[in-house]
Amino acid sequence: AQKVTQAQTEISVVEKEDVTLDCVYETRDTTYYLFWYKQPPSGELVFLIRRNSFDEQNEISGRYSWNFQKSTSSFNFTITASQVVDSAVYFCALIGGYNKLIFGAGTRLAVHP
Amino acid sequence: GAGVSQSPRYKVAKRGQDVALRCDPISGHVSLFWYQQALGQGPEFLTYFQNEAQLDKSGLPSDRFFAERPEGSVSTLKIQRTQQEDSAVYLCASSPSIDTQYFGPGTRLTVL
Repeated sequence: AQKVTQAQTEISVVEKEDVTLDCVYETRDTTYYLFWYKQPPSGELVFLIRRNSFDEQNEISGRYSWNFQKSTSSFNFTITASQVVDSAVYFCALIGGYNKLIFGAGTRLAVHP
Repeated sequence: GAGVSQSPRYKVAKRGQDVALRCDPISGHVSLFWYQQALGQGPEFLTYFQNEAQLDKSGLPSDRFFAERPEGSVSTLKIQRTQQEDSAVYLCASSPSIDTQYFGPGTRLTVL
């Protein structure tokens, strides 16, 4: 079975704090893709990053960084120096059969001034 | 370029009414997906098209749900005899192939 678990339901931080969102996945596939999406209050899902199972290099994009570890089946997302505009629900997802996305339950991040 | 568009953005239906939700994918995208997102939950897969062929409809919750994409572009998700449990946001996504899915703004359906 394929499954994505985001154990943190809600996180609240003060601006400029660093915050890490956890994602643990389960799959029997040897080739798979992992994603992070952001859903701001407007509701649209915004693509942030895609990783394939063969590329364990960590990635940094501005204040965002991702740590992919196959040994622990984790794909964690860190926001450095958080800002109020980062407030949103963040979803981790896994590609399953026929390319359908299997989403975690999401982590709601609130960044306060 | 234009992203995925969906209409209407909001729909209120009385229980028992039929509704039709439209999705315009990104031009040239072969794959089209529908997801249902209940309040406070992650999106859940409903159905998948590759061009006009519906390759996976395993997520459709009942036979009241029907989706089509007759010309391999615009898609319509139809829900017959709506029930209160159908209230959710319906998200459409398109993708060029086995790749990143780009989502539309969703249609929020409220069944009274």
